[in-house]
This record gives sequence, structure tokens and C-alpha cells, in this order.
Amino acid sequence: EDQVTQSPEALRLQEGESSSLNCSYTVSGLRGLFWYRQDPGKGPEFLFTLYSAGEEKEKERLKATLTKKESFLHITAPKPEDSATYLCAARSNDYKLSFGAGTTVTVRA
Amino acid sequence: DTAVSQTPKYLVTQMGNDKSIKCEQNLGHDTMYWYKQDSKKFLKIMFSYNNKELIINETVPNRFSPKSPDKAHLNLHINSLELGDSAVYFCASSSRTNSYEQYFGPGTRLTVT
Repeated sequence: EDQVTQSPEALRLQEGESSSLNCSYTVSGLRGLFWYRQDPGKGPEFLFTLYSAGEEKEKERLKATLTKKESFLHITAPKPEDSATYLCAARSNDYKLSFGAGTTVTVRA
Repeated sequence: DTAVSQTPKYLVTQMGNDKSIKCEQNLGHDTMYWYKQDSKKFLKIMFSYNNKELIINETVPNRFSPKSPDKAHLNLHINSLELGDSAVYFCASSSRTNSYEQYFGPGTRLTVT
């Protein structure tokens, strides 16, 4: 069965304190690794798709990387507006998207 | 200029009732999904339609019935609601020509009392 595990569950950062979120996955025939951001009371917002080991994508203070077993979301010099829950999802070869439980990031000013 | 919209945003109802949630997307996507997010925040796929055809049907009670009148709409009807159905339900859409990136609606919080 496809499985996606995210760690840590929660992360509290001081503004400017860089850190990384981990997403480890076990899926049959990975067809994409996705990162989403979810704010309270809202739907997930798409951030990145990664397809192959070694691939990297960047958007503002966020950078996502992918290996054969895990993905990392690096947050560089975070600001309070980066506070959110970050969800990782892996798509297998049967079109299904399996989500992790998310990492809730809180950035204090 | 909402991309994926859902109605209602909140739904409070009693056990045993039947209710529907509607979803519409104006992104021109050909695939739509229903997800359930429980209290532990796990998002789980329930159904997926591609061009009005059911392509993913996870193990959900048959009290849940999706209907897609056209590729821009996917509704979810729930019969005989139970307490355990309380959750946030998200609709999403994607395009097979755009890397399967899924775009989510704002969610419908269903509370069954």
C-alpha cells in the first residue's frame, strides 16, 4: 500500500531561522511528488511537482528536492506569512494521490 | 474569479438526513476529485471522474454517491448521514495535459449531530 510520512508534525521557527521538512514515501511507480500549502480553513494550495531524483524546484523562500525515497522542503529565512501546514503527496501509477499528514510550521516574528 | 468552488461552505445536519455538496471548476480541467479530510488532517481520496467517467472509487460506504453532469461539475450526495461522516470535504480538479497538478476548492465542513 502506498504510504507517505511527513516529519516533524510541527515546527516552530523564529523569523529568519531556516529549516527543512521531510517527506518519505513508498509508492508503486512514482508519477510525481507534490508539495502543497494549506492555511487554516482553506483548501490546499499547489506549490511544486517533482518527478525524478535530483530534481529541485524553488519558489521565493521555498525549495523542494527529491531523492528516490524522500523529498525535502527547505524554508530559507522564513517570515511569519510562511506559517501554514505543508502537505506532501505522492502519485502512483494508478493516478491516485496519497497525502502525508502534514507539517504545521509556525514562524514567530 | 474562483477556480474551484464548492457549496455550501458549512453544512450542519442531523443523523439520518440526506445532503449534497456541489463543486464547479472553471479551469477547463478534465478530471475532478472528492477528498475527505478528517480531524487528524489526513486527506484521503474518495472518488475521481475523468470526462464524466468514474476512474477512482475508493472504499467508501455506498451511502456516498458522486455525480458528474459535465466535466466542469462534480457533486457528492450522501444518504443516511452518520456521526462519522463529519469532516471537511474537498473537491479538486486537474488536467492530464498539465502534469496532474490538482487544484483544490475551499472545502465544505460537514457536521453531523
